[in-house]
Amino acid sequence: SAVISQKPSRDICQRGTSLTIQCQVDSQVTMMFWYRQQPGQSLTLIATANQGSEATYESGFVIDKFPISRPNLTFSTLTVSNMSPEDSSIYLCSVHGKDSYNEQFFGPGTRLTVL
Amino acid sequence: KQEVTQIPAALSVPEGENLVLNCSFTDSAIYNLQWFRQDPGKGLTSLLLIQSSQREQTSGRLNASLDKSSGRSTLYIAASQPGDSATYLCAVKTGANNLFFGTGTRLTVIP
Repeated sequence: SAVISQKPSRDICQRGTSLTIQCQVDSQVTMMFWYRQQPGQSLTLIATANQGSEATYESGFVIDKFPISRPNLTFSTLTVSNMSPEDSSIYLCSVHGKDSYNEQFFGPGTRLTVL
Repeated sequence: KQEVTQIPAALSVPEGENLVLNCSFTDSAIYNLQWFRQDPGKGLTSLLLIQSSQREQTSGRLNASLDKSSGRSTLYIAASQPGDSATYLCAVKTGANNLFFGTGTRLTVIP
């Protein structure tokens, strides 16, 4: 299994500011995924981050709002830009197990509140 | 597009009771199905993974079944404990990047 850590675990931010969330994995992985879970909702995939290439965003999510970095095979960041209260969510980092079609693992999440 | 539904949305049981959580999905072309546990405000803990070729998986007091042709999975929890209280999510994988989640069942086990 993969062990994933995220920083920060939670934050309270003001409208219009930006927050960068870090994700660290204990092993090298090809793909890292960023999910959002809005209050009372299930998880929605924001984007897939591959090392050495641009992230691939899902419908409804854009790079200007959620820029992603993937500098190496164990680390990624997600920035939530120009935040509004609607961005208040839990943001989760995720990776596959040994291959793409096996178990998927999730980090502990970053709980973001935007005032 | 794959749609995943979980019934019931919430369930409250007395400690010691056996219970079943249900998950249904609309497209049977899946690679696997995974059950997760989520505690309030926290991340997801993987409980069980069932590959598309398998019918069930067991881990301790948990047993998950999969009927791919009918688009259904169940999670059976034996002898429930207050520590089992959490939200349980099922998710189906339809491709390398495609993991579709249900809306979850919020379980409360009453001491």
